[in-house]
Amino acid sequence: GAVVSQHPSWVICKSGTSVKIECRSLDFQATTMFWYRQFPKQSLMLMATSNEGSKATYEQGVEKDKFLINHASLTLSTLTVTSAHPEDSSFYICSARDPGQGGLRYGYTFGSGTRLTVV
Amino acid sequence: AQSVTQLGSHVSVSEGALVLLRCNYSSSVPPYLFWYVQYPNQGLQLLLKYTTGATLVKGINGFEAEFKKSETSFHLTKPSAHMSDAAEYFCAVSDPGAQKLVFGQGTRLTINP
Repeated sequence: GAVVSQHPSWVICKSGTSVKIECRSLDFQATTMFWYRQFPKQSLMLMATSNEGSKATYEQGVEKDKFLINHASLTLSTLTVTSAHPEDSSFYICSARDPGQGGLRYGYTFGSGTRLTVV
Repeated sequence: AQSVTQLGSHVSVSEGALVLLRCNYSSSVPPYLFWYVQYPNQGLQLLLKYTTGATLVKGINGFEAEFKKSETSFHLTKPSAHMSDAAEYFCAVSDPGAQKLVFGQGTRLTINP
């Protein structure tokens, strides 16, 4: 089945620094990837849709300049949290849509998540 | 707009008992429906999905779900709960023409010995 690899699995950074999270599709090409944020004991909140070779589409209320998304290849999307602050601490999860059979050969495959702690 | 409602943020059952997690959706077009499971500090794992065809869908780990259009439901069941089933479960819906998933609030399943 489809596999999405997300790194790092956890990161601690100082307030004011930037952190990059990578999301790779390992055995398929993902023209579309998604980035979610999950608060403790809550559901996933879609932050943005990342399309290969074009600008990401951000959900309402998500700061584009703080959460930079780059999807430069068919297997890699990155999320950079810029000038991180403690309120950015959260669990970030990426997902990729397999383009085969109308996008649902595997469905939506998720990475293992990244726990970001800003101190 | 699509939406998903999971009835019960927390469900507790005894080991060996029936598991029933409820999911109702709202969609203006025939939807694609999904159930995912999440263990602590991990991503989501697909349990099963409905796109077209047979309305009773079998998934991994003994789970199954039935798409009932008249009830706009996609409840998840498992005949006999196992301790390893304790996790968070998310129901999600997608418009076939859309790209993104819409998630329910999640249901935390606890298994009592």
